[in-house]
Amino acid sequence: DAGVIQSPRHEVTEMGQEVTLRCKPISGHNSLFWYRQTMMRGLELLIYFNNNVPIDDSGMPEDRFSAKMPNASFSTLKIQPSEPRDSAVYFCASSRQDNEQFFGPGTRLTVL
Amino acid sequence: GEDVEQSLFLSVREGDSSVINCTYTDSSSTYLYWYKQEPGAGLQLLTYIFSNMDMKQDQRLTVLLNKKDKHLSLRIADTQTGDSAIYFCAENSGGYQKVTFGTGTKLQVIP
Repeated sequence: DAGVIQSPRHEVTEMGQEVTLRCKPISGHNSLFWYRQTMMRGLELLIYFNNNVPIDDSGMPEDRFSAKMPNASFSTLKIQPSEPRDSAVYFCASSRQDNEQFFGPGTRLTVL
Repeated sequence: GEDVEQSLFLSVREGDSSVINCTYTDSSSTYLYWYKQEPGAGLQLLTYIFSNMDMKQDQRLTVLLNKKDKHLSLRIADTQTGDSAIYFCAENSGGYQKVTFGTGTKLQVIP
């Protein structure tokens, strides 16, 4: 089992550019989570999906952030336009009914 | 809303026991978890305890739950340098497998 796959692992972009982060959950998992981790705010839940449907997006910082899950094996988190304060490590995680979340390796985003 | 709090930092000597503490607010939590994050990696589930238990032991790890005080602790016996990491306490907050994570405690093991 490959685990949760995220791409890219590192992204450096300039302020104002669009950024798209990608996630492939573990096959058979029915929930998918996007987190952001920074030194200042720790680990924050941005949004989560259950059976491809967004359940709670109250953690999404603002309208510049959007997330989609077009099918059970793929999700994207998009930031448009990006700002320096969006610099963070973004994690995707997936889980089944038994609650254990499996995390991907993360995408380190740097916005200059 | 749900809130999970931990101290930010703990330093111990190799071979000593480490105790990481956590408090939570959601009395309806079903499961409580300890996750470990090594540098440059995502979080990995270390152990968990069901809310109707007060203790769980797994090799060097002991989890204690005081449900009345909403206090959870993780004890690592014979702490090794490989245990250096950030440890997150977490609780499930009901439906759809949503989990609320604490701030994380950075454990530093001194050789």
